[in-house]
Amino acid sequence: AQSVTQLGSHVSVSEGALVLLRCNYSSSVPPYLFWYVQYPNQGLQLLLKYTTGATLVKGINGFEAEFKKSETSFHLTKPSAHMSDAAEYFCAVRRAGNNRKLIWGLGTSLAVNP
Amino acid sequence: EAGVTQFPSHSVIEKGQTVTLRCDPISGHDNLYWYRRVMGKEIKFLLHFVKESKQDESGMPNNRFLAERTGGTYSTLKVQPAELEDSGVYFCASSQEQNTGELFFGEGSRLTVL
Repeated sequence: AQSVTQLGSHVSVSEGALVLLRCNYSSSVPPYLFWYVQYPNQGLQLLLKYTTGATLVKGINGFEAEFKKSETSFHLTKPSAHMSDAAEYFCAVRRAGNNRKLIWGLGTSLAVNP
Repeated sequence: EAGVTQFPSHSVIEKGQTVTLRCDPISGHDNLYWYRRVMGKEIKFLLHFVKESKQDESGMPNNRFLAERTGGTYSTLKVQPAELEDSGVYFCASSQEQNTGELFFGEGSRLTVL
């Protein structure tokens, strides 16, 4: 069975500081990995995804994530936080193939302090 | 192009009543998904439509939940009778028929059962 663990339900950083949101997964088969973001009063929006190929994936708004198979991790980073990055971030995994069912982490709420 | 729209954005009902949530996917998207997030828990898959057919309904909690997608366009999710534990945010998402296609989410319908 697949599962996703996001370490830290709440993360607070200062504006301009590094953002690091952790995600570890378990999967018996090569997974597809995703990070979604939910800004206040909006729907879930795809930040980035890993399917195959390059393990360092760049997404929107300056975010990137690296798939590390040996560590079963897919941590999300951004070099310099902006106030507009305050949101809830979700890591998700699914099996490769036509089964699109996503397995989600609990989410991490990111606060950015001025 | 319009995104995924959900209605109502918030519904408050009493235990035992019926509620119907509606989702209009992005035009041309054959795949439609329902997910639910109960407070404090992870987002969970409910079901997946391909056009008007239920591809996977393994996440439906029980027979009080009925999802339909007549004509392969919009979808409804009916809860009858509603129970307290049904409270949460119900997300709808749609995608094109591609293996790694992105899921586009609506803003969610928040259901509160009193």
